Amino acid sequence: NFMLTQPHSVSESPGKTVTISCTRSSGSIAGNYVQWYQQRPGSSPTAVIYEDNQRPSGVPDRFSGSIDRSSNSASLTISGLQTEDEAVYYCQSYNKNSQGVFGGGTKLAVL
Amino acid sequence: EVQLVESGGGLVKPGGSLRLSCAASEFIFSTYTLNWVRQAPGRGLEWVSSISSESIHIYYAESMRGRFTISRDDAKSSLYLQMNSLRAEDTAVYYCARVATSGTWLDLWGRGTLVTVAS
Repeated sequence: NFMLTQPHSVSESPGKTVTISCTRSSGSIAGNYVQWYQQRPGSSPTAVIYEDNQRPSGVPDRFSGSIDRSSNSASLTISGLQTEDEAVYYCQSYNKNSQGVFGGGTKLAVL
Repeated sequence: EVQLVESGGGLVKPGGSLRLSCAASEFIFSTYTLNWVRQAPGRGLEWVSSISSESIHIYYAESMRGRFTISRDDAKSSLYLQMNSLRAEDTAVYYCARVATSGTWLDLWGRGTLVTVAS
């Protein structure tokens, strides 16, 4: 089984672009789809990216996802940062036993 | 309104048991795969278990296998999590979440119910 490793925190200014990485410890990042969830303080998580690079309905196109086989990682990129984007972001995938795996979460500060 | 509402959390002593429920509204519950995901205070998300439609496929996180049992009652549009032999480290908010029909992502989450394991 694998782990997903994320940076503990990132920060950027409003209007800028930030990228959050999610590195898979073993096995190919392309082997199972990666999802990204946003969790604002005091709220339940909501999906912002599914199946590596798909946006759920209602999620602005400022959010995009990708995978990089060379670094065995997935990335969430948020452009045109807004203060409302401040949240913790979690990547998630499934292992070969169909068990869910979450990354540790990345706290995004927009300041 | 399409929603999931968890209940059944509370304070329980180590070694005790608790049964969580998740009531679904305004969607065809029986056709969906459901998950439980938990979050310890101040910590990240941890996947707990999943159950497919008709309870055909059931999966557990390794640390909960043998102690937790997931089940569903489609007639009541309800999901359950029976938790036995509870430990302090099981203290968390437990969320139920629906898997999207279009894939494996969680497209609807409840607000969660807090389970506290302490003497």
